[in-house]
Amino acid sequence: ILNVEQSPQSLHVQEGDSTNFTCSFPSSNFYALHWYRWETAKSPEALFVMTLNGDEKKKGRISATLNTKEGYSYLYIKGSQPEDSATYLCAPQNAGNNRKLIWGLGTSLAVNP
Amino acid sequence: GAGVSQTPSNKVTEKGKYVELRCDPISGHTALYWYRQSLGQGPEFLIYFQGTGAADDSGLPNDRFFAVRPEGSVSTLKIQRTERGDSAVYLCASSLTVGLPNNEQFFGPGTRLTVL
Repeated sequence: ILNVEQSPQSLHVQEGDSTNFTCSFPSSNFYALHWYRWETAKSPEALFVMTLNGDEKKKGRISATLNTKEGYSYLYIKGSQPEDSATYLCAPQNAGNNRKLIWGLGTSLAVNP
Repeated sequence: GAGVSQTPSNKVTEKGKYVELRCDPISGHTALYWYRQSLGQGPEFLIYFQGTGAADDSGLPNDRFFAVRPEGSVSTLKIQRTERGDSAVYLCASSLTVGLPNNEQFFGPGTRLTVL
């Protein structure tokens, strides 16, 4: 996995808006996809790990889907709150011996009250 | 401990100096990872350990960087002859093991290194 792209790069929404981000990655040699949430001055926090094509995961107002055949994942936030403001990073994991994560640059979300 | 800890939280040094960054993983986690994040970039993989051995050090940028984990727990990232371009946040993460897809990585707070 060489190229991980996340879009948009940044996003400003109003409290209560729903939003979604995209992570795209080469579909070959895929093993798993991780989503992390990183707030300023805090450690990255794991949100989801998905492995199977068609996987859907949900945690509260945040959910994610995975399409391994076309190489993309969507992260959805329903009814954004100011505390959702953070950078959302996706990291596909390759199927090679090292299984390391390859990180995207993230989507920076700012939710205005 | 309750989580991954890293020390120091901030390190300011002069160009050419030697620095050591420490990571204390979650007890029982056999896999330990080092990343760095430069301004405006995503985390960049440096090295990971499975137990005491460096299973993959392909992300280390050059031979000024070295990491050890002698007893399979605490790890130290060592940077010799620091350069201004080494300035970044150095993140450490640990996971229960490596290779399984559902093994999330737990991150420490990072060490912000500034090379003047």
